[in-house]
Amino acid sequence: SQQGEEDPQALSIQEGENATMNCSYKTSINNLQWYRQNSGRGLVHLILIRSNEREKHSGRLRVTLDTSKKSSSLLITASRAADTASYFCATDAFVQGAQKLVFGQGTRLTINP
Amino acid sequence: SQTIHQWPATLVQPVGSPLSLECTVEGTSNPNLYWYRQAAGRGLQLLFYSVGIGQISSEVPQNLSASRPQDRQFILSSKKLLLSDSGFYLCAWTVGVIGYGYTFGSGTRLTVV
Repeated sequence: SQQGEEDPQALSIQEGENATMNCSYKTSINNLQWYRQNSGRGLVHLILIRSNEREKHSGRLRVTLDTSKKSSSLLITASRAADTASYFCATDAFVQGAQKLVFGQGTRLTINP
Repeated sequence: SQTIHQWPATLVQPVGSPLSLECTVEGTSNPNLYWYRQAAGRGLQLLFYSVGIGQISSEVPQNLSASRPQDRQFILSSKKLLLSDSGFYLCAWTVGVIGYGYTFGSGTRLTVV
């Protein structure tokens, strides 16, 4: 089953602008992860934020986590045409004794040159 | 370094035919292994996961089955494909300790005709 919603479903911006994607989830988590998927390809792990962390940075990526609101956001600064892809959040937790990664529906990001 | 191999990349199969998709991991031992399916433009749905040889858990009742005959080999099968089995199938692994990202294979695009 899907964990939650991602917002927006699609985002189109100009190169150089910042892109913000939001993710909500429903259950308790150990950590939340963001992945990128180029069209027709596998997923690439971008960043992981633990439930006791509020913000994390990696290069041009900034992730926030608000466990009280069960939400997260991914900010890509100074976007480039190569950032065009779908971005997924996923929650990682033990569910009924098994470690599972449950995905949202994703945000399709288009960077216009 | 750890790598994950998934094949074939694309597959066109007639309704009622059998299916076998294979995934192998190199460079690690006793990984947790996962099969996901992605419908066009959607998020990933967890189908099966395995924490060890011969240990398979199913998330969704369906026409598919999974097996793990060796520590680093995960196979997705069907005896008779349905049109609804079409999709993008992704294999993934993680170390089995929560707090680490998952590594995905490049995926198999299955079209049932």
